[in-house]
Amino acid sequence: RKEVEQDPGPFNVPEGATVAFNCTYSNSASQSFFWYRQDCRKEPKLLMSVYSSGNEDGRFTAQLNRASQYISLLIRDSKLSDSATYLCVASHSSASKIIFGSGTRLSIRP
Amino acid sequence: GAGVSQSPSNKVTEKGKDVELRCDPISGHTALYWYRQSLGQGLEFLIYFQGNSAPDKSGLPSDRFSAERTGGSVSTLTIQRTQQEDSAVYLCASSLASAGGTDTQYFGPGTRLTVL
Repeated sequence: RKEVEQDPGPFNVPEGATVAFNCTYSNSASQSFFWYRQDCRKEPKLLMSVYSSGNEDGRFTAQLNRASQYISLLIRDSKLSDSATYLCVASHSSASKIIFGSGTRLSIRP
Repeated sequence: GAGVSQSPSNKVTEKGKDVELRCDPISGHTALYWYRQSLGQGLEFLIYFQGNSAPDKSGLPSDRFSAERTGGSVSTLTIQRTQQEDSAVYLCASSLASAGGTDTQYFGPGTRLTVL
């Protein structure tokens, strides 16, 4: 079983729709969580950190559920430019290792 | 300011040859990570440096892979006797972190390695 699992998608949704992804992690010692965005043939870039209390950045909302060991990303009013692969990341600082999920591919259609 | 840079951007080599990949992290970043990403796959952790030391080498897939970092800055990833399954994009990232895993990582553009 992978330490961080994501639905690979693709999610194909119309512009303006709301879309949500979940990501599960298996290591209960994981302490820090992030969502990265990766465009085709480009490097990953940080989208947002995920805080225990949940956090929002414009159209993007990230939440953490420690009891069930998953994090989520919600995108509201999706734009064509949101089309990308979204990578979930969990890390446990004591091991100094960051685990990336395989990514969820999102495609926004006009 | 300058981001993470990697060279070469593309490398085509023949099976059995050695290759060396270079990463220049953001100035002042103490943590440096190497990952590889095969087509359509997620990132596979290879090795992590804190300063010049590598507290975690667990991700290196075989003893053909080695990495070093000098002066707390530039890092090189060496793959000896390359195999076709080594073909992937090799990504380097750096962060300010003094204890790994909690800070934002900034990625370089990667080196696309093709082993014929």
